[in-house]
Amino acid sequence: DQQVKQNSPSLSVQEGRISILNCDYTNSMFDYFLWYKKYPAEGPTFLISISSIKDKNEDGRFTVFLNKSAKHLSLHIVPSQPGDSAVYFCAASPRSGGSNYKLTFGKGTLLTVNP
Amino acid sequence: DAGVTQSPTHLIKTRGQHVTLRCSPISGHKSVSWYQQVLGQGPQFIFQYYEKEERGRGNFPDRFSARQFPNYSSELNVNALLLGDSALYLCASSPGTQETQYFGPGTRLLVL
Repeated sequence: DQQVKQNSPSLSVQEGRISILNCDYTNSMFDYFLWYKKYPAEGPTFLISISSIKDKNEDGRFTVFLNKSAKHLSLHIVPSQPGDSAVYFCAASPRSGGSNYKLTFGKGTLLTVNP
Repeated sequence: DAGVTQSPTHLIKTRGQHVTLRCSPISGHKSVSWYQQVLGQGPQFIFQYYEKEERGRGNFPDRFSARQFPNYSSELNVNALLLGDSALYLCASSPGTQETQYFGPGTRLLVL
């Protein structure tokens, strides 16, 4: 049973336009969410995170939106650049209560930004 | 500052053998977590260690074990390798157990 779902295996956008990557989760205990970017032959690189007490967090070109009632989050990249082409993973954890802060990942979305 | 380092980068083993993977966390980080990523899937949690104690364990068989040393580096051991253990093994470190985890480049294991 997948607790974190990224339903779009791939996304292609033009340079300069907005990229929107989506993620859904099912576990109500999740209260901390992260996005990682992964290039081939490298480990995941942390991009941005959001706590469940917020509905938006922004860092430069990257903005993450959280809709707790819908159990949905999205990552917006504006403007998209060719160097953003990578696999993007959504991850979640039950940060509060207990000591197990494991990350549960989605399967990833391959973003291709065309020049 | 150096990031998370892992060794070796690649490894080929045969079924039934044993493997040890190593991880050095970012300086100052006391927590290390291990993940397995098979092709086409996201990383899957195996273990989390903090201050040399196991703090969390994922749904993996007892063939998988790990430990953390006084300098906070860590080893992941896998016994009686199966073909299905072929994967990218990722190590992540964080200052404590609640902070953002930063990943190393991974060790790619192929079991023949």
